[in-house]
Amino acid sequence: GESVGLHLPTLSVQEGDNSIINCAYSNSASDYFIWYKQESGKGPQFIIDIRSNMDKRQGQRVTVLLNKTVKHLSLQIAATQPGDSAVYFCAENTVDSSYKLIFGSGTRLLVRP
Amino acid sequence: DSGVTQTPKHLITATGQRVTLRCSPRSGDLSVYWYQQSLDQGLQFLIQYYNGEERAKGNILERFSAQQFPDLHSELNLSSLELGDSALYFCASSVATRTEAFFGQGTRLTVV
Repeated sequence: GESVGLHLPTLSVQEGDNSIINCAYSNSASDYFIWYKQESGKGPQFIIDIRSNMDKRQGQRVTVLLNKTVKHLSLQIAATQPGDSAVYFCAENTVDSSYKLIFGSGTRLLVRP
Repeated sequence: DSGVTQTPKHLITATGQRVTLRCSPRSGDLSVYWYQQSLDQGLQFLIQYYNGEERAKGNILERFSAQQFPDLHSELNLSSLELGDSALYFCASSVATRTEAFFGQGTRLTVV
């Protein structure tokens, strides 16, 4: 995707290992969070979401953890596969009069065969 | 396939021109978001509509405008184009305003 030109933090993992991608959010009023995956040349793809009344949610091979105390979100990918190589973004939504879904700067995940 | 359709996929135009980008949301989705993704700024929120009404505005330039029509499709109009407007423009849709949003494949705009 277009984020290839960004100085993105990069996480390099061995195929089969677990990956953990982190995201710090700034607005303590944010109460809904989404993780997206963006492959080169494609639009962001929804992976998993979590609301602030939860601290953990699991999907297929993915788990999202939310720590509201330190305003931190993480995405764990189990048994990382080459197809998981992409840029991962967290997005947040805030309980206020606006309905913006604001994206973080992204992390590039590289899976080594 | 997310179900969100954006046209055109690619657009090349000259500075000073005006273009219209179109988005058809997923069936049943009432909310449409527009984002700009350029090399140095990641995904920037532009504007959001819900059932025809503007609900949120981001850092959208005055030269840009958007609307959502009664059939729920949306258009993003970019005028007096500048070289710096070259970017990927994404549309996303969701059922409501605070549920997962699904993205289209984007329109790549190149201003020359």
